[in-house]
Amino acid sequence: AQSVTQLDSHVSVSEGTPVLLRCNYSSSYSPSLFWYVQHPNKGLQLLLKYTSAATLVKGINGFEAEFKKSETSFHLTKPSAHMSDAAEYFCVGPSGSSNTGKLIFGQGTTLQVKP
Amino acid sequence: DARVTQTPRHKVTEMGQEVTMRCQPILGHNTVFWYRQTMMQGLELLAYFRNRAPLDDSGMPKDRFSAEMPDATLATLKIQPSEPRDSAVYFCASGLGTTSGANVLTFGAGSRLTVL
Repeated sequence: AQSVTQLDSHVSVSEGTPVLLRCNYSSSYSPSLFWYVQHPNKGLQLLLKYTSAATLVKGINGFEAEFKKSETSFHLTKPSAHMSDAAEYFCVGPSGSSNTGKLIFGQGTTLQVKP
Repeated sequence: DARVTQTPRHKVTEMGQEVTMRCQPILGHNTVFWYRQTMMQGLELLAYFRNRAPLDDSGMPKDRFSAEMPDATLATLKIQPSEPRDSAVYFCASGLGTTSGANVLTFGAGSRLTVL
């Protein structure tokens, strides 16, 4: 079965330092992949999406992600963390053996940003 | 901005009562997803519709949960009877599904359910 796996449940960085949130996927075809962010007691907001047009995807708030087929990864990065980046981040991808459009969430990574 | 509207935003009920959550997808979107978020399980997919037809509800407890789309502007998730373990935030999302599967979802604000 298809899945997305977020490798870290919790990441802590200092303000101004780089952010790396890791996501691996399993897929028998070229998947559509997404990163969503959820701030405390808030809804889910799309950060960026990969739909096979370009392997390096730029999103909102300075985030970007690179699709690496050889590593089956779609890691989220940001050069310099801001306090407002503290939130829960979810990698989202397809589920199922065929491309039905069904989307499931990874387990989530809590990003803590220290002053 | 177009948005997905969920009602109610908060619901407190007693065990055994029926609960109905409603979702108005963005006009023109042809896919609707229901997710449940809890601390223990994270975000779980409950049901998925395309063009109002249920494509997958394998994540949903069949004995008490049901999901429907009476028309293109309304999706409902019903729990009968409700149990304390159903306490969670329920999110509805809509998107424009294509044959390639690319499906950017817009989420509603969620319905926070507490079953006493």
